[in-house]
Amino acid sequence: GQQVMQIPQYQHVQEGEDFTTYCNSSTTLSNIQWYKQRPGGHPVFLIQLVKSGEVKKQKRLTFQFGEAKKNSSLHITATQTTDVGTYFCAGPHAGGTSYGKLTFGQGTILTVHP
Amino acid sequence: NAGVTQTPKFQVLKTGQSMTLQCAQDMNHNSMYWYRQDPGMGLRLIYYSASEGTTDKGEVPNGYNVSRLNKREFSLRLESAAPSQTSVYFCASSDGNSGNTIYFGEGSWLTVV
Repeated sequence: GQQVMQIPQYQHVQEGEDFTTYCNSSTTLSNIQWYKQRPGGHPVFLIQLVKSGEVKKQKRLTFQFGEAKKNSSLHITATQTTDVGTYFCAGPHAGGTSYGKLTFGQGTILTVHP
Repeated sequence: NAGVTQTPKFQVLKTGQSMTLQCAQDMNHNSMYWYRQDPGMGLRLIYYSASEGTTDKGEVPNGYNVSRLNKREFSLRLESAAPSQTSVYFCASSDGNSGNTIYFGEGSWLTVV
């Protein structure tokens, strides 16, 4: 079945350092979404990428969708303590009508030391 | 506008007990989902409902049943709880089209002893 893999599983950084998480799908994706989950919280939608090679920015966050639409990355510049949490990528279920079902990566847990 | 509301927030069960997690959304979404989250496993889909009156299995349906009572409500039932079902459960909803954002409830922490 479809798999979405995310690396690294954990990342510890000093405040001010950059952070990147990578997402790879076993199948070509029509789009990819990114979610953030604060400790003890629930996943919250960050962004969606649709086009091959697409790059989107949200302040210090840069999201990329690969040319083959099978991989994606999230880069945070100059991390802050408010960036702590787990970052998930997610892609639509392959084949047929997905009804909005998403396959989530395992997530990258980001810790920021002040 | 509360979004997705699920109850209870915390529950401790004994092995073999049954319980139902309740979920309701007020966004008029067609699709609703139940996910479970375990350390290192990400979010795994248990069941989903594409529309009122329909339900279907996700990746990890064994040990669970669901009911889509109406467009707003989607409940998850554990008939005979097992320690392996200790997890955080998230209800979610979306318009149901590919690419639509999924909105999550705040989660239900379930421990089976």
